[in-house]
Order: sequence, then C-alpha cells, then structure tokens
Amino acid sequence: KQEVTQIPAALSVPEGENLVLNCSFTDSAIYNLQWFRQDPGKGLTSLLLIQSSQREQTSGRLNASLDKSSGRSTLYIAASQPGDSATYLCAVSDNNNDMRFGAGTRLTVKP
Amino acid sequence: DGGITQSPKYLFRKEGQNVTLSCEQNLNHDAMYWYRQDPGQGLRLIYYSQIVNDFQKGDIAEGYSVSREKKESFPLTVTSAQKNPTAFYLCASTSTGMADTIYFGEGSWLTVV
Repeated sequence: KQEVTQIPAALSVPEGENLVLNCSFTDSAIYNLQWFRQDPGKGLTSLLLIQSSQREQTSGRLNASLDKSSGRSTLYIAASQPGDSATYLCAVSDNNNDMRFGAGTRLTVKP
Repeated sequence: DGGITQSPKYLFRKEGQNVTLSCEQNLNHDAMYWYRQDPGQGLRLIYYSQIVNDFQKGDIAEGYSVSREKKESFPLTVTSAQKNPTAFYLCASTSTGMADTIYFGEGSWLTVV
C-alpha cells in the first residue's frame, strides 16, 4: 500500500525567502503526482500535476520536481510572500485509480 | 462558474442521529469522491463513484453511505454506526478518474454534540 510522507510538518520563513517542501512515497509505480494548497477550513486547490513520465512542472513562482526512482518530489517556492501561507499537500495516483495523500506541510511566511 | 458546492458548511450531530452532507457539481464530471480529513492527517477516501448509479467503498467506508442517482449529485450520509464522525469532509470530482486533475469543494465541518 502506497504511503506518502511530507516533512517537515510545519515551516516558518521570512518573506522573500526561497523554500523547498518535500514529499516522499514508498511505491515508485505511480501514474502522476499532484501538489495542492489548502487554506484553513477550505478545500484543496490543485497547484501542479506531474505525470510519471515528466521530471518537473512550473507555474509562476512554483516549481515541482519528480524523481520516481527515489520516490521523491519537491515543491520549490521562489520569493515567498505572506499570501503563500497555507498547508501544502502532495498526492500520488496509481494506474488503479487510487490516490494517496500526505498529511501536508503547514507553511507560514512572516512579513 | 463551474465548481463543486458542499452544504452545509457546519453541521452538528447528536448521538444516534444520521446526517447527510450534500455535494453538487456542475463540471459535467463523471467521477465523484468523498474524503475525510482529521487534524494533522492526510485525506482518507470514504466512497467514490465513477458513474451514475454505481459507487465503491474507499478505505474508511464503515458507518457511511452514499448514493449517485444523478451525475451532478453525490450525497454522503453519516450514520449512527460511525462512532467518531467529528471531522472535516471534502467532496471532489474528476472528469473520468484519478489520472485527471481533481477539483474539491469547500468542505463541511461535522461535530458531534
């Protein structure tokens, strides 16, 4: 059974700093990996989706990488802003239509 | 605007009571999902449906029931058999399956009183 781990559970950085969030998974036979943002008490918003054949995806200040062989993905946020404060979750899907979520990293960007 | 609407946002359940959470989507998606989120934990799948009049149990289906009579609607009933129902419930949908981008509703908070 796929297990997804996100470390650290919480992260606090000053505004303007570049940062990296980590996601690891135990089974490399994935179909895709997604990164989500969740604001307190809200639903999840998909940020980036990386297919298993891809190495990275970029959207604005966000860049997500995928290394299937090592079971790792990173979400890089450039020039962080207070508005980036949220919980970031990763999820992996397999070919059997199963999606597994990590517990998330709670990010606080201080002005 | 297309999206997923969940209601109510906050719901209180008394002991022994069944409650139903509503989920409606106007994205014309075939697949719909219900997740439960507990503090500090990832989402866990309760039930999913890939087509009208069909649904499958997820990892934690015990104490829950669903129906899928219409493409746009996928209500979740939390029954009295669910002994620890206090949680944040999220409804989601995809065009066909988990290979597609998944869209979430705003969630419903359920508290036992």
